[in-house]
Amino acid sequence: AQSVAQPEDQVNVAEGNPLTVKCTYSVSGNPYLFWYVQYPNRGLQFLLKYITGDNLVKGSYGFEAEFNKSQTSFHLKKPSALVSDSALYFCAVRDTTSGTYKYIFGTGTRLKVLA
Amino acid sequence: DGGITQSPKYLFRKEGQNVTLSCEQNLNHDAMYWYRQDPGQGLRLIYYSQIVNDFQKGDIAEGYSVSREKKESFPLTVTSAQKNPTAFYLCASSIRPSGSSYNEQFFGPGTRLTVL
Repeated sequence: AQSVAQPEDQVNVAEGNPLTVKCTYSVSGNPYLFWYVQYPNRGLQFLLKYITGDNLVKGSYGFEAEFNKSQTSFHLKKPSALVSDSALYFCAVRDTTSGTYKYIFGTGTRLKVLA
Repeated sequence: DGGITQSPKYLFRKEGQNVTLSCEQNLNHDAMYWYRQDPGQGLRLIYYSQIVNDFQKGDIAEGYSVSREKKESFPLTVTSAQKNPTAFYLCASSIRPSGSSYNEQFFGPGTRLTVL
């Protein structure tokens, strides 16, 4: 079965430091990977996606993600964290099995950036 | 201003009542989705629709029903058969998926349903 795992429930980082939010996946075929951010009591906002090509994907608000096929990972990164980056982050993968074009989401990682 | 709207933002239901959550989009997207979000469980798919007049059950469809009579609208009914309906409900849409499609989803602001 296709799946996405976010191994950390919460990540704490000091403002100005680099941040990493981890995501690993298991899919058959080519992975289509996404990152979303959710602020309290709001819907999810799209940050970036990996389809093919360059393993380093740049997205909104200074975020980027590194696709690593051998490690089946798609970690979200930012060189310098802001307090306003504090939110819930979701990794997702397009489910391409059996013609069902669904999206599978991880359980989310809460990022806290400390001033 | 394009996007997805959900109403109401907060909804209270008595046990045994059916309630309907509204989801409307003006993005001209073919595909629409309903998710349920509970703390620590991420997003779980309830129903999805890839085209008008067609929809499929997701992973947790029991106790829910949907309709897709118009491209713009995908209402979700939470029936009395849903034993634990208190949750945050999110609607999303995307360009119609295809074999090589890789389009992201656009999400509405959500409806928080509480059963009294």
